[in-house]
Amino acid sequence: DGGITQSPKYLFRKEGQNVTLSCEQNLNHDAMYWYRQDPGQGLRLIYYSQIVNDFQKGDIAEGYSVSREKKESFPLTVTSAQKNPTAFYLCAVRTSGRFGTGELFFGEGSRLTVL
Amino acid sequence: DAKTTQPPSMDCAEGRAANLPCNHSTISGNEYVYWYRQIHSQGPQYIIHGLKNNETNEMASLIITEDRKSSTLILPHATLRDTAVYYCIVRDGSSNTGKLIFGQGTTLQVKP
Repeated sequence: DGGITQSPKYLFRKEGQNVTLSCEQNLNHDAMYWYRQDPGQGLRLIYYSQIVNDFQKGDIAEGYSVSREKKESFPLTVTSAQKNPTAFYLCAVRTSGRFGTGELFFGEGSRLTVL
Repeated sequence: DAKTTQPPSMDCAEGRAANLPCNHSTISGNEYVYWYRQIHSQGPQYIIHGLKNNETNEMASLIITEDRKSSTLILPHATLRDTAVYYCIVRDGSSNTGKLIFGQGTTLQVKP
C-alpha cells in the first residue's frame, strides 16, 4: 500500500545484534500494528499501538520492543533476546470505523535473516 | 475472538467463480467476519467484511449464513492474479484494539 512504507525490504543480521525495522504511514490513522510471519504460517501479532505514546504487547512480544513518539511512525526493534528472529515482518494501520470495525492496511513487509 | 476453520487448499478454473468457505461456529453476536488475501511475499490485502447481511464490493461477495456459523467468500470471475492465500478472520466489533488473529488460511490456486 502506497500509504505505508516499511524499510528496509531485506535485512541481514548477525546473531547478537539488535536491528530496527521502520514503519511510516501518511494515512493519518491512529492505530498501528506489527505482525510476524514464518514460512507457510499465518500472521502473529507482536505489538500494537492505538495512539501516540501508548502501545500494548501482542501474542509474541518477547524479544521485541517498539516506540510510538509520532503518529506517523511505529518502529520495531528486534533485540538479541529474540531467539528465532528470521521471519517476514509486516506493519499495518487500521482505518477508523464504527465500533472499531475498520480494516487493516498492510505495508509490503521487511524480510529479516539472521546469519 | 472466535476461531475459524478453512480448507487448506482449493483449485479454481480461470474465469469461473471461486467459492471459499469458512466455519466460525463459536462466533458471538458482535463479532464481524473479515476476509484478507496474501499474494506470495507481499503484505495481506483487505477484501471485505460483514456482520449479518451479505456484502458485495468491487472485489468479492461475502455470504453469511443466517445462524452466522459459516460464511463464503465468492470471487465471481477468478483470474490467475487471484492465486493467493485467503484468510477468514472473526473479530469483536466492540473491541477497540483492532487486533486480528490470522490462522493458516486457504491457498487458492487459479488454473488456466
